Amino acid sequence: DSGVTQTPKHLITATGQRVTLRCSPRSGDLSVYWYQQSLDQGLQFLIQYYNGEERAKGNILERFSAQQFPDLHSELNLSSLELGDSALYFCASSVGTGGFYAGELFFGEGSRLTVL
Amino acid sequence: LAKTTQPISMDSYEGQEVNITCSHNNIATNDYITWYQQFPSQGPRFIIQGYKTKVTNEVASLFIPADRKSSTLSLPRVSLSDTAVYYCLVGPAGGGNKLTFGTGTQLKVEL
Repeated sequence: DSGVTQTPKHLITATGQRVTLRCSPRSGDLSVYWYQQSLDQGLQFLIQYYNGEERAKGNILERFSAQQFPDLHSELNLSSLELGDSALYFCASSVGTGGFYAGELFFGEGSRLTVL
Repeated sequence: LAKTTQPISMDSYEGQEVNITCSHNNIATNDYITWYQQFPSQGPRFIIQGYKTKVTNEVASLFIPADRKSSTLSLPRVSLSDTAVYYCLVGPAGGGNKLTFGTGTQLKVEL
């Protein structure tokens, strides 16, 4: 158990819909990262928040947005869903923005999104 | 960020030592090398991180030659439960936000 909690574990929805994925980081971790993993794209970095502020953006579509709340949990909002958005969405957390332990991210179990 | 190249797949048998090599020819001075393990439908799990020479922990060893253009993850006496995808990542300290996972190496361990 990494200590990172993601909900829901599974989600099935239709094209055009909007969903919200939630992540609670490990206790004490200030950074939250979102990754998308699909069969043909591998694990893609989407976005990072640190202590409530956006720190870095990766390959995140404009239809997607995220935020980190004062209690440090984060939500990833996916809108106008397309079939190609079907994937595993992982949240990870780390103590800081990286620091010496830059490589040690703690991943949740993921949220599997299926768009029909 | 340094691009990494690692074998797509490897096969081994229980009890053997497995070495997975990763090439990162354009590694920068301030880059660290990190390895992750991922089981199907689970999030990646940190295995080991190093900067140079050798690092060992309770599950693996990481060998990094002096030029740092490659690294080797060594898994001693693998078991069936070590069947997973192994990712090599290279990035700077403080650069956790841009860690790039490549396609990884699918390790299959058989009896």
